[in-house]
Amino acid sequence: QKEVEQNSGPLSVPEGAIASLNCTYSDRGSQSFFWYRQYSGKSPELIMFIYSNGDKEDGRFTAQLNKASQYVSLLIRDSQPSDSATYLCAVKRGTDKLIFGTGTRLQVFP
Amino acid sequence: GAGVSQSPRYKVAKRGQDVALRCDPISGHVSLFWYQQALGQGPEFLTYFQNEAQLDKSGLPSDRFFAERPEGSVSTLKIQRTQQEDSAVYLCASRRGSRRITGELFFGEGSRLTVL
Repeated sequence: QKEVEQNSGPLSVPEGAIASLNCTYSDRGSQSFFWYRQYSGKSPELIMFIYSNGDKEDGRFTAQLNKASQYVSLLIRDSQPSDSATYLCAVKRGTDKLIFGTGTRLQVFP
Repeated sequence: GAGVSQSPRYKVAKRGQDVALRCDPISGHVSLFWYQQALGQGPEFLTYFQNEAQLDKSGLPSDRFFAERPEGSVSTLKIQRTQQEDSAVYLCASRRGSRRITGELFFGEGSRLTVL
């Protein structure tokens, strides 16, 4: 079992819809959780982080964390074609390193 | 520069050659990370520096991989006797602080290594 698991997709949603991206992790000692977006051929860039149970909203993005279920998700409201990218879930464990999932490819079609 | 700078952006090596990949982090950033990203996969942790100290090298896949950051700024990832399975994008990332729970990693554009 990989430490951070994501469905590789692609997840296809129409423009204006809500995209829901999910991630599970195996280490209960994980402290904080990150969502990175990676456009094809580009480097990952941070969208959001969350470390407390519940929801955290930032513009069109909402991160949700459930530590009991070891589950973190990212919701993208009013999806736009420019949101089409790979979304990487990352978990901070131990000292300082981030452990990444394989990423979910999102396609938003007009 | 304003961001993390990596060079070369593209490197083609013949199997068995040694390669060196350079990372110039954001000025003043204490922490520096190297990741390996194979096609269609997420970044895999290789090693981590805090200033010049290499605090974690648990992700280095073999003793052919070596990283250094002698003056606590620029870092070099060296791969000796390259193999085809080393073909990947090597990402460098830096972070301002050291043990911050929510410190953001800033990634460079990566060095794409192709081993023939």
